[in-house]
Amino acid sequence: QQQVKQSPQSLIVQKGGISIINCAYENTAFDYFPWYQQFPGKGPALLIAIRPDVSEKKEGRFTISFNKSAKQFSLHIMDSQPGDSATYFCAASIKRGKLQFGAGTQVVVTP
Amino acid sequence: DTAVSQTPKYLVTQMGNDKSIKCEQNLGHDTMYWYKQDSKKFLKIMFSYNNKELIINETVPNRFSPKSPDKAHLNLHINSLELGDSAVYFCASSHTGAGETQYFGPGTRLLVL
Repeated sequence: QQQVKQSPQSLIVQKGGISIINCAYENTAFDYFPWYQQFPGKGPALLIAIRPDVSEKKEGRFTISFNKSAKQFSLHIMDSQPGDSATYFCAASIKRGKLQFGAGTQVVVTP
Repeated sequence: DTAVSQTPKYLVTQMGNDKSIKCEQNLGHDTMYWYKQDSKKFLKIMFSYNNKELIINETVPNRFSPKSPDKAHLNLHINSLELGDSAVYFCASSHTGAGETQYFGPGTRLLVL
């Protein structure tokens, strides 16, 4: 059973647009929420991560929004660029334990 | 210098064969992992070792056997390969316990015919 549910499965956005990927979890013991980015033919790489004591974290054009009461978190990619085309995975862990990954979202940014 | 490297990059083999995948990291990490990524891109952890000790052993057929000769190496041996084993296998490493920033290797693409 998947502990982190991710949507949408895929998304197409125009260059300059905003990409939004959502994740939801049930286990309130999760205390670490990273996002990984994977380009075709490569391994995933950490993009940005958040802890539940903050509601938002921004790094460049990437922002995580966290809603503890709703048990949801999302990744916003502002001013999306063709180079952002990749698969994005949300994940969650307890006390930095085993990472539970979402199913992934394939993002395609059209020129 | 590649931080986490895997060999081979591609592996095509017949059903019933035995194969091994090797992983090495030069990041000084003490925890290493094996993940399986299926055709739908779902990432699932298989094993994790900390200082050569097995700490995560998910529900994986016992045809899969990991071995960690030292902190920098984690190998995966697969016996009696089946069609369903076809996937991309990723090695990763991190500091201290599982869940710290994990650095993934480039993957080994296994195709069982």
